[in-house]
Amino acid sequence: QSVLTQPPSASGTPGQRVTISCSGSTSNIGSNVVSWYQQLPGTAPKLLIYTNDQRPSGVPDRLSGSKSGTSASLAISGLQSEDESDYYCGAWDDSLNAFVFGTGTKVTVL
Amino acid sequence: EVQLVQSGAEVKKPGESLKISCKGSGYDFTKNWIGWVRQMPGKGLEWMGIIYPGDFETRFSPSLQGQVTISADKSGQTAYLQWSSLKASDTAMYYCARLGCSGGTCYYDYWGQGTLVTVSS
Repeated sequence: QSVLTQPPSASGTPGQRVTISCSGSTSNIGSNVVSWYQQLPGTAPKLLIYTNDQRPSGVPDRLSGSKSGTSASLAISGLQSEDESDYYCGAWDDSLNAFVFGTGTKVTVL
Repeated sequence: EVQLVQSGAEVKKPGESLKISCKGSGYDFTKNWIGWVRQMPGKGLEWMGIIYPGDFETRFSPSLQGQVTISADKSGQTAYLQWSSLKASDTAMYYCARLGCSGGTCYYDYWGQGTLVTVSS
């Protein structure tokens, strides 16, 4: 069972902005950094955002991350067909002494 | 270039044992933790545990402690995930991932391609 809650789905038309939330608690997001991962169909996850809001090289700047209190968000601006994918947040949980992933959000480009 | 290459798909019967691997290259294998992540069919990512190849320290998800063994071979630059007695519920895709750290914070920066494990009688 995941302790980080995400909406199951999100959608938008090309060019729109989509935001995905990740809700946790004081033992995970509230006290540790958040990372985000993209999983295209049939492929391994890929790091999109680390340390709450940092992008690895090669990740376009229309993707951005933020964190406030016990929640985090991933925003995708200028939505493109290639953004159609599953997205997961992740953080260390001090109470569980384990890394935890969010429940995952499927983004659909209409 | 950092790469993690996992062993191929496996089909096993309940009760059988299994060991899958994850070979790292392009970096000092002993300096980064390697984690294992399970993805059951149609489900999300589930963190299983992690090993530091430098000193073999391991940590496990509370829900999976005792169900699997995580090990590593420094000279072979390979991490392993092992079961002594598989169950049908172990059917899943298993990913290894490197824990990269920057400025005191860590995240999974490189992932293996995944190993599909199917357990069926």
